[in-house]
Amino acid sequence: AQKVTQAQTEISVVEKEDVTLDCVYETRDTTYYLFWYKQPPSGELVFLIRRNSFDEQNEISGRYSWNFQKSTSSFNFTITASQVVDSAVYFCALSDLIQGAQKLVFGQGTRLTINP
Amino acid sequence: EPEVTQTPSHQVTQMGQEVILRCVPISNHLYFYWYRQILGQKVEFLVSFYNNEISEKSEIFDDQFSVERPDGSNFTLKIRSTKLEDSAMYFCASSREDPNTEAFFGQGTRLTVV
Repeated sequence: AQKVTQAQTEISVVEKEDVTLDCVYETRDTTYYLFWYKQPPSGELVFLIRRNSFDEQNEISGRYSWNFQKSTSSFNFTITASQVVDSAVYFCALSDLIQGAQKLVFGQGTRLTINP
Repeated sequence: EPEVTQTPSHQVTQMGQEVILRCVPISNHLYFYWYRQILGQKVEFLVSFYNNEISEKSEIFDDQFSVERPDGSNFTLKIRSTKLEDSAMYFCASSREDPNTEAFFGQGTRLTVV
């Protein structure tokens, strides 16, 4: 069975600090996709990134970066120079492809609070 | 930019009543999904729908739940007889046939059963 573990339930940092959110996954599939979603206080799910299992290149998008390591089944997310607007719950997710459909298995989420 | 829209944003219903949550997926998407998030917990898969039929459902999606695509644009989730534990945020999502693209989520419907 597929599983995503986000061991950090809550993280609180001061603005401008760097912060890394951990994500560890389990799957028996050889082809899968990993995602990060942001859930701000307003409640919607905001897509941040998708990574397929064959692409282990790290990705940077502005202050956000992602480190995918297949050897440790991890897909960690780092925010550099954090800002108050980054405060949200962040979910890591794993996609199980069922005949083309994407069934997402989510982690428990990490509540990130950035203090001014 | 196209988006998935859900109505209503918040629904309050009495226990035992039927509710229908509505979603308009992105127009060229072929896969549709419902997810549920009980307050403070993780997001859980309920059901996926393709070619006018359910392609997979979770253990949560029991006989009280049903989905329908009544016309070319709407995708609905019906809960036949609501229970207190059905109170949650319900997210609709849709995706293209290409598995290399992400699913897009709606803003959610908060269902409160009293």
